[in-house]
Amino acid sequence: GQNIDQPTEMTATEGAIVQINCTYQTSGFNGLFWYQQHAGEAPTFLSYNVLDGLEEKGRFSSFLSRSKGYSYLLLKELQMKDSASYLCAVRGGMDSSYKLIFGSGTRLLVRP
Amino acid sequence: GEEVAQTPKHLVRGEGQKAKLYCAPIKGHSYVFWYQQVLKNEFKFLISFQNENVFDETGMPKERFSAKCLPNSPCSLEIQATKLEDSAVYFCASSQSPGSGNTIYFGEGSWLTVV
Repeated sequence: GQNIDQPTEMTATEGAIVQINCTYQTSGFNGLFWYQQHAGEAPTFLSYNVLDGLEEKGRFSSFLSRSKGYSYLLLKELQMKDSASYLCAVRGGMDSSYKLIFGSGTRLLVRP
Repeated sequence: GEEVAQTPKHLVRGEGQKAKLYCAPIKGHSYVFWYQQVLKNEFKFLISFQNENVFDETGMPKERFSAKCLPNSPCSLEIQATKLEDSAVYFCASSQSPGSGNTIYFGEGSWLTVV
């Protein structure tokens, strides 16, 4: 079966660092995506990992371990505008027609 | 274009009426995906296309939902005889080939409210 798990909610303080974890079990794997979604808006692409390791992009970093079925999104120097939902999504292989399978999202609240 | 363009942004329909949503993928992208988001973060896959061909329709409710991607036209998602439970945001997304490194980009979504 296909299963992606991430925490439902997290709270952090402005200026701090927060790590959002994601574990997955999918029948195929063609990359893992992180998206940010503000309420009432479209998901915005943050990062993509297909090989093990850390991808850094400004204040955001994403890590992948394929053998463990595990990823995390690291947000540094948190800003109030980072309050949003963060979606972990795995792109399946050809057997699942390369579609994205989403977790339920993690709602992050950044407090002053 | 440089973004996935969806229209209309908002649509209100009475129960039993038809709803039709449109999506223009990013130029050069051959894969189009439709997702339904109900109750905030639950994304449900509906259908995908490779160019004008249906690639995967396993998520489509068979009776009332249909979709097309015709050459030189926006893709469309049509719901016949809408029900209250169809109220959701419908997102269209597109990507190049599914190979490594090709990101899937989302449109702004179409908010369907069935009353």
